[in-house]
Amino acid sequence: DAEITQSPRHKITETGRQVTLACHQTWNHNNMFWYRQDLGHGLRLIHYSYGVQDTNKGEVSDGYSVSRSNTEDLPLTLESAASSQTSVYFCASSEARGTGSTDTQYFGPGTRLTVL
Amino acid sequence: LAKTTQPISMDSYEGQEVNITCSHNNIATNDYITWYQQFPSQGPRFIIQGYKTKVTNEVASLFIPADRKSSTLSLPRVSLSDTAVYYCLVGPKTPQFSGGYNKLIFGAGTRLAVHP
Repeated sequence: DAEITQSPRHKITETGRQVTLACHQTWNHNNMFWYRQDLGHGLRLIHYSYGVQDTNKGEVSDGYSVSRSNTEDLPLTLESAASSQTSVYFCASSEARGTGSTDTQYFGPGTRLTVL
Repeated sequence: LAKTTQPISMDSYEGQEVNITCSHNNIATNDYITWYQQFPSQGPRFIIQGYKTKVTNEVASLFIPADRKSSTLSLPRVSLSDTAVYYCLVGPKTPQFSGGYNKLIFGAGTRLAVHP
């Protein structure tokens, strides 16, 4: 069955370190997303991609970067981790099927990141 | 951007019908209303989407009045497994073709607790 996976599921790191969170989907979806979820804030969009070599900034992109070298993967990199980036990170994907269809996002299980 | 307001939390009992209302006073003409459900330690999943009047699927019903300034998600005969956070989103049906995903915002959601 098609799925979307994230790794690692849990990560503890130190302030200033570079961290990369992996996201892999086998839906063959063009669109991929990264969100962070903090208590009281719901989900906030970090970056998203419409396809290979395409990336776009979301609401809270500062301190994060993504790259899309193939359809299946959208890794999220924290260049220099900060304590404010302690959060649960969710990756999602959706299929772009034109303006007449519902753009449903399929979410991964999440990665809990702690920055000490 | 259309801002949404939902109750922070709700309590119910098994077998009851639950109605969660979302206010979206500045909804745009082209905006749709979408609801996602998130179980503990999982990513959100799509429940239902609508534009006006009533939409029903195997999981829930969505009621949207004529002025579209609010919407109500109805869960019939809830069970313990319906305990989750429910998010109301307002935005383009296909954000990719309508200005991007920054127009689709997850709020803090409604935490529903179903009791025996």
